[in-house]
Amino acid sequence: DQQVKQNSPSLSVQEGRISILNCDYTNSMFDYFLWYKKYPAEGPTFLISISSIKDKNEDGRFTVFLNKSAKHLSLHIVPSQPGDSAVYFCAASAKFGNQFYFGTGTSLTVIP
Amino acid sequence: NAGVTQTPKFRVLKTGQSMTLLCAQDMNHEYMYWYRQDPGMGLRLIHYSVGEGTTAKGEVPDGYNVSRLKKQNFLLGLESAAPSQTSVYFCASTNGLAGTSYEQFFGPGTRLTVL
Repeated sequence: DQQVKQNSPSLSVQEGRISILNCDYTNSMFDYFLWYKKYPAEGPTFLISISSIKDKNEDGRFTVFLNKSAKHLSLHIVPSQPGDSAVYFCAASAKFGNQFYFGTGTSLTVIP
Repeated sequence: NAGVTQTPKFRVLKTGQSMTLLCAQDMNHEYMYWYRQDPGMGLRLIHYSVGEGTTAKGEVPDGYNVSRLKKQNFLLGLESAAPSQTSVYFCASTNGLAGTSYEQFFGPGTRLTVL
């Protein structure tokens, strides 16, 4: 049973506009959330994270929002650039747990 | 620093053959993980280790074995490969408990095909 879900397999956005990638989770014990970016033929690389004590975390063009009551997080990229075209995975972990649970990924295409 | 490296990058096996995938990290990380990535399935945890000499099962451990004899190395073994094990395998490491501010560092992946 998938504990972390990314319901949009793909997303296309014009360069300069905002990209919004969504992620839902079911386990209320999750308290730490991460986004990874993956280019073809490479391993995932860490992008941004958020702890459950916060509802927003920003890093440059990337902002992650967490809505604990809805068990939902989103990644906003603004402005979107062609180099942002990649697969984005969200992941979650529980306090004192040793595992990270990944979503199925969303393939973002930024159109020049 | 090389970060996390994986050997080999590609491999083709016949059903029933065995092989070992090697993961090495030079960041002195305590925790190491093996994942497989399949289309539409995301990254699924096979086995992990929280320190030298320890291993534990993840979500999809069947058909795999692991060993962590040295802190920097984490080996994934397939004793009798099956076509269902055709996948891309990623190794990752981190220096903290899940739930702290430590992200995982991933290797470049091993693409395995079992005929």
